[in-house]
Amino acid sequence: QVQLVESGGGVVQPGRSLRLSCAASGFTFSNYAIHWVRQAPGKGLEWVAVISFDGNKKYYADSLKGRFTISRDNSKSTLSLQMNSLRNEDTAVYYCARAGESLSIDFWGQGTLVTVSS
Amino acid sequence: IVMTQTPLSSPVALGQPASISCRSSQSLVHSNGNTYLSWLHQRPGQPPRLLLYKISNRFSGVPDRFSGSGAGTDFTLKISRVEPEDVGDYYCMQATQFPWTFGQGTKVEIK
Repeated sequence: QVQLVESGGGVVQPGRSLRLSCAASGFTFSNYAIHWVRQAPGKGLEWVAVISFDGNKKYYADSLKGRFTISRDNSKSTLSLQMNSLRNEDTAVYYCARAGESLSIDFWGQGTLVTVSS
Repeated sequence: IVMTQTPLSSPVALGQPASISCRSSQSLVHSNGNTYLSWLHQRPGQPPRLLLYKISNRFSGVPDRFSGSGAGTDFTLKISRVEPEDVGDYYCMQATQFPWTFGQGTKVEIK
């Protein structure tokens, strides 16, 4: 079955960096685009970024202003999110999720919590 | 594109229908003619799960009590008969234009 497992979350001070990872299994990872979506505590969903199946195309939320970088390693079936210059408002559960049919998002990981606090 | 859902909260009796509206700030019709509007459901403490894509197509395993309709900027999710497992937050999402955006969510609870 499709599995996406995020890791790398934790508590980090404002202005510091953090790198999230997502390990995929149960499907041919190199055939699918993959997204990051986040959810602040008690709030709604916010789309963060997506990377194409081959890593050649990347799109980001406007609000990130170049602070985040999405990447993938198809040889290891892993996705990464490099987050720099973190702010309090980046505190959220970060989900990796698979792109599905017709530009849907069909499978989601359980998420990893990032807390930005001094 | 801003996605606006109404209502924000919907108390519903078991076995009764529920309806959620989602309106986009501009047309979701893509240049290829498709409309990339999805609905997702999130139970408390769980990640979201896909219900419908391209307005009305049910994802694998989704019960047929869930249906979607609409066009252009106005869309609706209907649950024909609410069951206990349907509680939680419902989100519409547009993928017609980057950045993809979600509605603010509608909480469905049992009355």
